[in-house]
Amino acid sequence: QQQVKQSPQSLIVQKGGIPIINCAYENTAFDYFPWYQQFPGKGPALLIAIRPDVSEKKEGRFTISFNKSAKQFSLHIMDSQPGDSATYFCAASRDNNDMRFGAGTRLTVKP
Amino acid sequence: NAGVTQTPKFQVLKTGQSMTLQCAQDMNHNSMYWYRQDPGMGLRLIYYSASEGTTDKGEVPNGYNVSRLNKREFSLRLESAAPSQTSVYFCASTPLRGPYEQYFGPGTRLTVT
Repeated sequence: QQQVKQSPQSLIVQKGGIPIINCAYENTAFDYFPWYQQFPGKGPALLIAIRPDVSEKKEGRFTISFNKSAKQFSLHIMDSQPGDSATYFCAASRDNNDMRFGAGTRLTVKP
Repeated sequence: NAGVTQTPKFQVLKTGQSMTLQCAQDMNHNSMYWYRQDPGMGLRLIYYSASEGTTDKGEVPNGYNVSRLNKREFSLRLESAAPSQTSVYFCASTPLRGPYEQYFGPGTRLTVT
């Protein structure tokens, strides 16, 4: 039973487009919601994270939107570039030792 | 700083063979983790170590054992490998304080035939 459900499984956009990846969680005890970016052959790396006391967080071209009542959060990538092509994982955690990951979204940004 | 390092990068085992995956971090982190990554499943926690001398089971511990050798090193052992353990294995670490960010190693791709 996956505690964090992520969609879509894959996504193709043109350069400059705004891909949106969605995640939903079950456990209301989660209090930390990160997004990780993974390039082929590499380990995941933290991209951006949010706590449930805010509804939006921006870092550069990446934005997390958070809806606590719906138990959903999403990643938006503004002005997407071919270099953003990677697999993106959402996750949710209530402490250091209980990070639950979504299944991942493979993003392709076409030039 | 090398961050989190893992050896080997690739390994092929026959069913029933044993092996140990090695992980080391040079960031003075307290907690260390072992995950497996399978297509369509994301990352699933196998075991973790909240501090030197302690280890605990994660979501999918069956068929694995771990050792926290010291603060830097955390190894994962497969005693009798099975084809279902074919996966990419990632080690991660996180500091004692902070927003739970996990730092991942480059992974070990394991195939069990």
